[in-house]
Amino acid sequence: GNSVTQMEGPVTLSEEAFLTINCTYTATGYPSLFWYVQYPGEGLQLLLKATKADDKGSNKGFEATYRKETTSFHLEKGSVQVSDSAVYFCALSDLKFNTDKLIFGTGTRLQVFP
Amino acid sequence: NAGVMQNPRHLVRRRGQEARLRCSPMKGHSHVYWYRQLPEEGLKFMVYLQKENIIDESGMPKERFSAEFPKEGPSILRIQQVVRGDSAAYFCASSPRTGITGELFFGEGSRLTVL
Repeated sequence: GNSVTQMEGPVTLSEEAFLTINCTYTATGYPSLFWYVQYPGEGLQLLLKATKADDKGSNKGFEATYRKETTSFHLEKGSVQVSDSAVYFCALSDLKFNTDKLIFGTGTRLQVFP
Repeated sequence: NAGVMQNPRHLVRRRGQEARLRCSPMKGHSHVYWYRQLPEEGLKFMVYLQKENIIDESGMPKERFSAEFPKEGPSILRIQQVVRGDSAAYFCASSPRTGITGELFFGEGSRLTVL
């Protein structure tokens, strides 16, 4: 079945460092891919998405490119801030039932220190 | 424009009691999804409902768990005879329509603790 694999955390960085969080997926068909972010004590928020191969999603300085050949959707940011500390979830759309049902990875905790 | 509202935010139950978690979707949204997040784990899909219909319950445990989304009122996730392993955060998400848009709008979650 469809699945998402993320790099394990926590990822610990100093402010202004470069961030990469790896995400690979297994899917039949052509799912859409997403990154969601969860700040402490809150629900998930959509960070960015890409709906087809080679699309690049971007938001708030974060970027991810839908790579069909490597089945990957790695999240990157050039210069992280303390306020980026959160848990980041990679997800794909489950194409059954033509719904918005998402399958999530296990999440990667990012800790940014000043 | 209120977001997805979940209550209670925190719920404590003793083993064997019942837990009821409520979710009011965003205005205009008629599709509701429930996810469970166990400590230090990702989100696991439980059930997808439209008004008065369960569309996909492939992630729901076969016993003790049930969900509904009546014509009027919030969606309810019900856990009967809770056990310690049910302790988790339960998130509700809504979307406005069927389709592969992928943007689910999440509530802040209900955190269930079973003593």
